[in-house]
Amino acid sequence: AQSVAQPEDQVNVAEGNPLTVKCTYSVSGNPYLFWYVQYPNRGLQFLLKYITGDNLVKGSYGFEAEFNKSQTSFHLKKPSALVSDSALYFCAVRDKYSSASKIIFGSGTRLSIRP
Amino acid sequence: DAGVIQSPRHEVTEMGQEVTLRCKPISGHNSLFWYRQTMMRGLELLIYFNNNVPIDDSGMPEDRFSAKMPNASFSTLKIQPSEPRDSAVYFCASSLTRRPYEQYFGPGTRLTVT
Repeated sequence: AQSVAQPEDQVNVAEGNPLTVKCTYSVSGNPYLFWYVQYPNRGLQFLLKYITGDNLVKGSYGFEAEFNKSQTSFHLKKPSALVSDSALYFCAVRDKYSSASKIIFGSGTRLSIRP
Repeated sequence: DAGVIQSPRHEVTEMGQEVTLRCKPISGHNSLFWYRQTMMRGLELLIYFNNNVPIDDSGMPEDRFSAKMPNASFSTLKIQPSEPRDSAVYFCASSLTRRPYEQYFGPGTRLTVT
């Protein structure tokens, strides 16, 4: 089965420091991987995707993610955190066994940036 | 662009009552998804449509749940009869067929069943 795991429920970072939100995946075949963000009382927003090409993918709001095939990871990163980055972050993978368009979300990681 | 529109934003109802949640996808998007989010179970896909046709309803919890998409600009999720364990935030999302994984979520409907 296709799945993603987010090993940390919560990540705390000081403003201005680099941040990393971890994600590992388990898929058969080539993975299609995504990151979404959810701000309080809002729906999820698409941040970035990896389908093919460069292992370092750039997305919205200065975020990037690094695809690492050997470690089956797709960690989300940002060089300098902002307080406004505080939100719930979801890693996701395409469900290749569905007919189309279905993605499977991880459990989410709450990112808290302290001033 | 108004984004995905959901109504109502909040719904409080008593056990046994019928609940109807509504969604208007982004104009031109031809895929529509219904999700449920709870603390215990996280984010679950209930059903999705492509060009108004239900493609996968394997996530629908039981027969009390039904969803329709009569046209490209409107979808409903109905729960009849509702139960306290249905309390959750229900999200609708839409996407373009050519970019199926970039889903645009609505603000959600917070359902409380007492």
